[in-house]
Amino acid sequence: ELKVEQNPLFLSMQEGKNYTIYCDYSTTSDRLYWYRQDPGKSLESLFVLLSNGAVKQEGRLMASLDTKARLSTLHITAAVHDLSATYFCAVVMNRDDKIIFGKGTRLHILP
Amino acid sequence: DAGITQSPRHKVTETGTPVTLRCHQTENHRYMYWYRQDPGHGLRLIHYSYGVKDTDKGEVSDGYSVSRSKTEDFLLTLESATSSQTSVYFCAIRNLAGREQYFGPGTRLTVT
Repeated sequence: ELKVEQNPLFLSMQEGKNYTIYCDYSTTSDRLYWYRQDPGKSLESLFVLLSNGAVKQEGRLMASLDTKARLSTLHITAAVHDLSATYFCAVVMNRDDKIIFGKGTRLHILP
Repeated sequence: DAGITQSPRHKVTETGTPVTLRCHQTENHRYMYWYRQDPGHGLRLIHYSYGVKDTDKGEVSDGYSVSRSKTEDFLLTLESATSSQTSVYFCAIRNLAGREQYFGPGTRLTVT
């Protein structure tokens, strides 16, 4: 059974600081997604990582995938209040294309 | 915005009644997924489809069934709704290469 673990589950940080959210998973996969969700809204796609070593950057967010370690990271650089949201990683199982989500990281950035 | 809609957007129903939620896409994507979202659990996969008439169970499929008779529609049925099925339900679509995956706006279902 695929397990997807995100940590931390809750993060409160000051504006201007850097931080990393971790997503590790328990089965073979070389495809992973990161999403953002604002309260009461649907999920917005942030990054699609489709191979080992993939790195994608958009603004203050950078995501990477290490399929050998079964680990993805979402790095936040110089956080701003607008990045406050819940962030999810989702892993595509190679075996059957199921997509399993982590529990999410609720990020609160203090002005 | 990706062409994916869900209906209804909100529904209140009574315990024991059947309920059908609809996901409709205009992207012609092969894969479609149904999730439920509950506080403390993130999103959990209910069922998914990898083609017309091809479906499989997810993590929390008990009490749910699905059908996909054409590419654009994926229906989720609660055979006999229970209060534990009160949740927000999201549909997602994904193309074959996996480079595009989008979520619908969600359906808030309350079972009283």
